[in-house]
Amino acid sequence: NAGVMQNPRHLVRRRGQEARLRCSPMKGHSHVYWYRQLPEEGLKFMVYLQKENIIDESGMPKERFSAEFPKEGPSILRIQQVVRGDSAAYFCASSLSGPNTEAFFGQGTRLTVV
Amino acid sequence: AQRVTQPEKLLSVFKGAPVELKCNYSYSGSPELFWYVQYSRQRLQLLLRHISRESIKGFTADLNKGETSFHLKKPFAQEEDSAMYYCALKSGGSYIPTFGRGTSLIVHP
Repeated sequence: NAGVMQNPRHLVRRRGQEARLRCSPMKGHSHVYWYRQLPEEGLKFMVYLQKENIIDESGMPKERFSAEFPKEGPSILRIQQVVRGDSAAYFCASSLSGPNTEAFFGQGTRLTVV
Repeated sequence: AQRVTQPEKLLSVFKGAPVELKCNYSYSGSPELFWYVQYSRQRLQLLLRHISRESIKGFTADLNKGETSFHLKKPFAQEEDSAMYYCALKSGGSYIPTFGRGTSLIVHP
């Protein structure tokens, strides 16, 4: 089991472009969580998804950010019209059966907006 | 609102010295506390949780509800302990952990 896979590891975008971050959960895991880590800050929860459903998006910015976890394929965190303040490390975690089970983290995607 | 505070951004010690990484939290109920570790170029992984009261890699952490702390301790640091350490809290009302900003531990030879 390769663990949670995130790609790309590093992503550079110009202001106004779109950023797509991918997360493949561990085999058998159907629960995915996205976190953002801004410089000098802790990991901040963004969104919790279960296959094809958004369970909790209380940490997602209201505009430009969206997430999906389709029936087939990885979970995608999409940021439209990126701004410099979106530069951060984005971490994905997955768990087998919900938040009360241990979540395993990916290595993160570092987004830099220039 | 729940909050996790790790006051030290960086902690630097010599091999064999005792280590204490501080974590304070604010939450009025009964929280569940965790420590996560991220070694260089590796992914974040769970180190220990307070409910299991176990010692992992020589690290222990005791939940002190009076002081609202969950400090991580190790009596004799090793070079391989050098990593980022994150304290996290999960409360009954929110099943998603809240993380502190992390403390970078550097153990010198």
